[in-house]
Amino acid sequence: DAGVTQSPTHLIKTRGQQVTLRCSPKSGHDTVSWYQQALGQGPQFIFQYYEEEERQRGNFPDRFSGHQFPNYSSELNVNALLLGDSALYLCASSFTGANVLTFGAGSRLTVL
Amino acid sequence: AQSVTQLGSHVSVSEGALVLLRCNYSSSVPPYLFWYVQYPNQGLQLLLKYTTGATLVKGINGFEAEFKKSETSFHLTKPSAHMSDAAEYFCAVSGYTNAGKSTFGDGTTLTVKP
Repeated sequence: DAGVTQSPTHLIKTRGQQVTLRCSPKSGHDTVSWYQQALGQGPQFIFQYYEEEERQRGNFPDRFSGHQFPNYSSELNVNALLLGDSALYLCASSFTGANVLTFGAGSRLTVL
Repeated sequence: AQSVTQLGSHVSVSEGALVLLRCNYSSSVPPYLFWYVQYPNQGLQLLLKYTTGATLVKGINGFEAEFKKSETSFHLTKPSAHMSDAAEYFCAVSGYTNAGKSTFGDGTTLTVKP
């Protein structure tokens, strides 16, 4: 049983570019949450998707957007990249109403 | 609003010694509390969780934590450290309505000396 899978694992972009990160949730899970983990810090909640809609959002600018597809997979898009967007981006999935998250290994974004 | 404070960004113990990682939280609603472990270049793995009921929670790999409402604490302990326990540990809090929106502490790096 595959857990949460994320792609790509590593990527390098330059300031001003746009990036798309992808996440496939654990089998049976229908809710996806995205987190940003800067170096030396804990993960920070970006947003959560359920039934193809953004349900909750953390304190992140509109440059961060997402999407959830009918098969529950999700994308995180970041526009106009800044140096400060360099981080590990974690996807976590869960089943609606459950209180346990399953995390993927993350996508490490470096912005030069 | 919720917040988590992990006291001590680095903790070093000898193999076989007690592990104690401290976590204090703030929450305006009854909290769900979690401890996660993160190994280098990996995602987060759930060690244990408190939702309701028994305040002493047992997790994987011999870890346990006790929810103390009066002290707003959820400290993580393990009686005897093993070399494989060296990792970064995160305490997190969420409201009971949505565990997907969790607030994490800044983490504690555990070093285990032989």
